[in-house]
Amino acid sequence: DSGVTQTPKHLITATGQRVTLRCSPRSGDLSVYWYQQSLDQGLQFLIQYYNGEERAKGNILERFSAQQFPDLHSELNLSSLELGDSALYFCASSGGDRLNTEAFFGQGTRLTVV
Amino acid sequence: AQTVTQSQPEMSVQEAETVTLSCTYDTSESDYYLFWYKQPPSRQMILVIRQEAYKQQNATENRFSVNFQKAAKSFSLKISDSQLGDAAMYFCAFLWGSNYKLTFGKGTLLTVNP
Repeated sequence: DSGVTQTPKHLITATGQRVTLRCSPRSGDLSVYWYQQSLDQGLQFLIQYYNGEERAKGNILERFSAQQFPDLHSELNLSSLELGDSALYFCASSGGDRLNTEAFFGQGTRLTVV
Repeated sequence: AQTVTQSQPEMSVQEAETVTLSCTYDTSESDYYLFWYKQPPSRQMILVIRQEAYKQQNATENRFSVNFQKAAKSFSLKISDSQLGDAAMYFCAFLWGSNYKLTFGKGTLLTVNP
């Protein structure tokens, strides 16, 4: 158990819909990172938050947004869903604002868009 | 841009034998970190081993060791005395010292035969 909790574990939704993925980082970790894992793109960095503020952005679509709340949990919002958004979405956390020590990953949310 | 290449989509090894997974990367940076992550069927991303680029000594964690060749930009993972529980997808990942995101390779699926 990494200490990073992601909910839900599985999500099935229709095209055009909006979903919210939730991540609770390890106790004390200030950084949260979101990654998307798909068969064709592999593991892609989406976005990072550090202590409530957006710190870095990767290949995140405009239809996607995220935020980190005062209690440090984070939510990834995916809207106007398309079939191609089907993927495993990972959240990771680390103590500082760098990943040079270790990032702890959650078990992911499997999103299926039908 | 940094890229990570894992040229072996699949590998297999007999239980108790040794296997080496290959990884090459491309960067112009001198300060960076390299990682091997394991993703078993449970989907959890688990850190196996990490290497700081400034360290000449190869990292070792029990049965796992790396062969880090900085000039050749090569970072292979050796698994000794392979166990059935080692069966998983293995990802090589790169982190630039001042960056916030891990860049992953496409992964190598390791099968361990009894």
